Amino acid sequence: DQQVKQNSPSLSVQEGRISILNCDYTNSMFDYFLWYKKYPAEGPTFLISISSIKDKNEDGRFTVFLNKSAKHLSLHIVPSQPGDSAVYFCAAGEGNYQLIWGAGTKLIIKP
Amino acid sequence: DTGVSQDPRHKITKRGQNVTFRCDPISEHNRLYWYRQTLGQGPEFLTYFQNEAQLEKSRLLSDRFSAERPKGSFSTLEIQRTEQGDSAMYLCAQLAGGNGEQFFGPGTRLTVL
Repeated sequence: DQQVKQNSPSLSVQEGRISILNCDYTNSMFDYFLWYKKYPAEGPTFLISISSIKDKNEDGRFTVFLNKSAKHLSLHIVPSQPGDSAVYFCAAGEGNYQLIWGAGTKLIIKP
Repeated sequence: DTGVSQDPRHKITKRGQNVTFRCDPISEHNRLYWYRQTLGQGPEFLTYFQNEAQLEKSRLLSDRFSAERPKGSFSTLEIQRTEQGDSAMYLCAQLAGGNGEQFFGPGTRLTVL
């Protein structure tokens, strides 16, 4: 069963506009959620996280929103830049810090 | 640069051969994780260590897979009698933050012919 789902395999956004990446989860016991960015042939790079007790966390151009009642989180990137083109993974965890990952969304920033 | 290193970066082997991968974390004596990632999927948890103790293993980790972390420093992942289905990216990560942040190495891409 997929506990973490990213339903959009890809997303194309104009440079300078907002990119919104979505993630849904089913396990209400998750304590924290994270977003990672991955380039081909590299390991995932941590971007931003949010605890289940918060509904928003911001770091520069990146903001993560958590809606616990809907079991939904989103990553907003404003403004989008060409270097943001990558695959973005949503991950969730509890307790022992084992992460459960979504399948990823490929973000393409158009010039 | 997270500082987690993995060796080799690429490995091509024939079916039935044994392979071993190495992970060197940034610092010793903390949690170290192994994941496997196939094309179009997110990483899948395999196992993790707290210092030298292997605390949890996924059902994905068949008896052909073994992982060690002697002295709580570097870790190795060995796959015996490789199968074509073992072809994947093998990722090592170190727990780095209070919100479960893990820093990943560059991965080892395994191709089984």
